[in-house]
Amino acid sequence: TQLLEQSPQFLSIQEGENLTVYCNSSSVFSSLQWYRQEPGEGPVLLVTVVTGGEVKKLKRLTFQFGDARKDSSLHITAAQPGDTGLYLCAGVSDSTDSWGKFQFGAGTQVVVTP
Amino acid sequence: EADIYQTPRYLVIGTGKKITLECSQTMGHDKMYWYQQDPGMELHLIHYSYGVNSTEKGDLSSESTVSRIRTEHFPLTLESARPSHTSQYLCASSDWLAGGETQYFGPGTRLLVL
Repeated sequence: TQLLEQSPQFLSIQEGENLTVYCNSSSVFSSLQWYRQEPGEGPVLLVTVVTGGEVKKLKRLTFQFGDARKDSSLHITAAQPGDTGLYLCAGVSDSTDSWGKFQFGAGTQVVVTP
Repeated sequence: EADIYQTPRYLVIGTGKKITLECSQTMGHDKMYWYQQDPGMELHLIHYSYGVNSTEKGDLSSESTVSRIRTEHFPLTLESARPSHTSQYLCASSDWLAGGETQYFGPGTRLLVL
């Protein structure tokens, strides 16, 4: 059973369009991270969010942590082909049966075509 | 940028061979992890360590073994490689960043067992 559910699984858009990727759970997380991974490489950290309701911006990327710390979203404005990759959310859950362990979502594959 | 290294980056090997995948980090992190990932798919935790002489099996059953004799070094060994071991292996270490525990990944080792 996946603690973190990502949606959509796959997203294909044209350059210049906006997109949003979601990461949801029924469990509370002490923190959540977002990573981008390119084929054959390791995931690269984009951001860590720790406070409920927190919003962080990284150039054209906006990350939000839900008020209850159970969900997060990643919004990309005016997507570019360089944004193509597998986006993964991950976090450390507060639930007793997985306390202290990192949980990963299954990922959202984003393809941005010129 | 994370200072975590994996060698080799690519390995093609015959069935039955013994192999060791190397992972080193220069950040002084106590916690280290090994994940297995098929292309474009989710990460599966196979081993983790909370410090020197500490090793634990992860959520995904694996025929590999690990050791942690030094803080910076966390090698993974397959005693007898099989085609089912073909996959990408990712090493990570973690630390607290801005109030949240965050993982940093190496570039990965892509293993092909013939």
